[in-house]
Amino acid sequence: QKEVEQDPGPLSVPEGAIVSLNCTYSNSAFQYFMWYRQYSRKGPELLMYTYSSGNKEDGRFTAQVDKSSKYISLFIRDSQPSDSATYLCAMSAWRGGGADGLTFGKGTHLIIQP
Amino acid sequence: GAVVSQHPSRVICKSGTSVKIECRSLDFQATTMFWYRQFPKKSLMLMATSNEGSKATYEQGVEKDKFLINHASLTLSTLTVTSAHPEDSSFYICSARATSGSRHEQYFGPGTRLTVT
Repeated sequence: QKEVEQDPGPLSVPEGAIVSLNCTYSNSAFQYFMWYRQYSRKGPELLMYTYSSGNKEDGRFTAQVDKSSKYISLFIRDSQPSDSATYLCAMSAWRGGGADGLTFGKGTHLIIQP
Repeated sequence: GAVVSQHPSRVICKSGTSVKIECRSLDFQATTMFWYRQFPKKSLMLMATSNEGSKATYEQGVEKDKFLINHASLTLSTLTVTSAHPEDSSFYICSARATSGSRHEQYFGPGTRLTVT
């Protein structure tokens, strides 16, 4: 079993729809959870950062973390064609002095149809 | 968000030569930077953790003598791919950890595409 599981898609939805992306993980040591957006041949862009279980909202994005189920989600409201990209979940544990390097999911390729 | 730059963005080199990639945090100090590698249509894989003023920590399976990391200042880490081979061709991405209290976000550079011929 891989440490982080994420459906690679592609996931295709019509413009304006609510998008739901999620990841599961197996390592209970993970404490920091992030969602990144990556366009082709570019570096990942940080969208959301969460530390504890619960919800966090930022504009059209909502991140959810359920540590008991080892499950995290990212919701995108009012999706736009410009949201089309690969979305990567990432997480890390604590390693003396700070958060460890990130373990990434495979990434979900999202397509928003105009 | 914080800005991280990488240079060069793209490099082509001949087999057997060495290539140096720079990673800079432009508007914050980063005692810790990370180097990742990404193959086409694959996710990012952590290669090593770079700590300012000390030796880098390499992930299992990553050759430290092949991928030399130097973190000489709080804003600069370099990755040198020594004696490059075609199988080293990949997308190399660095990140810098911005630490504030309990927050430990990692901000990524734009990546360097290495092609070894």
